[in-house]
Amino acid sequence: AQSVTQLGSHVSVSEGALVLLRCNYSSSVPPYLFWYVQYPNQGLQLLLKYTTGATLVKGINGFEAEFKKSETSFHLTKPSAHMSDAAEYFCAVKDSGAGSYQLTFGKGTKLSVIP
Amino acid sequence: SAVISQKPSRDICQRGTSLTIQCQVDSQVTMMFWYRQQPGQSLTLIATANQGSEATYESGFVIDKFPISRPNLTFSTLTVSNMSPEDSSIYLCSVEGRATNYGYTFGSGTRLTVV
Repeated sequence: AQSVTQLGSHVSVSEGALVLLRCNYSSSVPPYLFWYVQYPNQGLQLLLKYTTGATLVKGINGFEAEFKKSETSFHLTKPSAHMSDAAEYFCAVKDSGAGSYQLTFGKGTKLSVIP
Repeated sequence: SAVISQKPSRDICQRGTSLTIQCQVDSQVTMMFWYRQQPGQSLTLIATANQGSEATYESGFVIDKFPISRPNLTFSTLTVSNMSPEDSSIYLCSVEGRATNYGYTFGSGTRLTVV
């Protein structure tokens, strides 16, 4: 079964600083990878996803993530944090095989942005 | 991308009662999913609901407790039956398919409190 590890349940950065949220997965076959953001009292919004092709994926709101097969990682970055980025971020994976639909989520990382 | 309307957005219910949550999508989708997010936790898949067939439940979830209907390609309901305080969670529906560019789109969630 897939598992997802998000290092750091809570990350604080200063406004304008680099945002780095870490995600590692366990799979012998490269899965499909997703990052979601959840603002307080809201559902999940897809930031970006990797399925195939270019390993550097650009998403909404200036976020990007790089799939590194050798490290089984899919870390999320943003060059300059904004106050509006404060939210909880979830990494998720899905088996890339046909007929596989289940998303497995990490435990989430809460991002705080300090003015 | 598909837009999901989930109702109710929140409710406070007495223990022993049942609540039905509705998920309406503005596009036809094959795959619909129901998730639970317990306080401070990540998302756990309850079941997968395909139109025209019985829902497929994940380990730890049973149909008697969480009956699901999927009458057509744009609508599904999840009922939380015989509720106890342990059922207090956010319940989210999700869809995946061509309408979501094969990402997973989530509803805004139903915040349930059982007293």
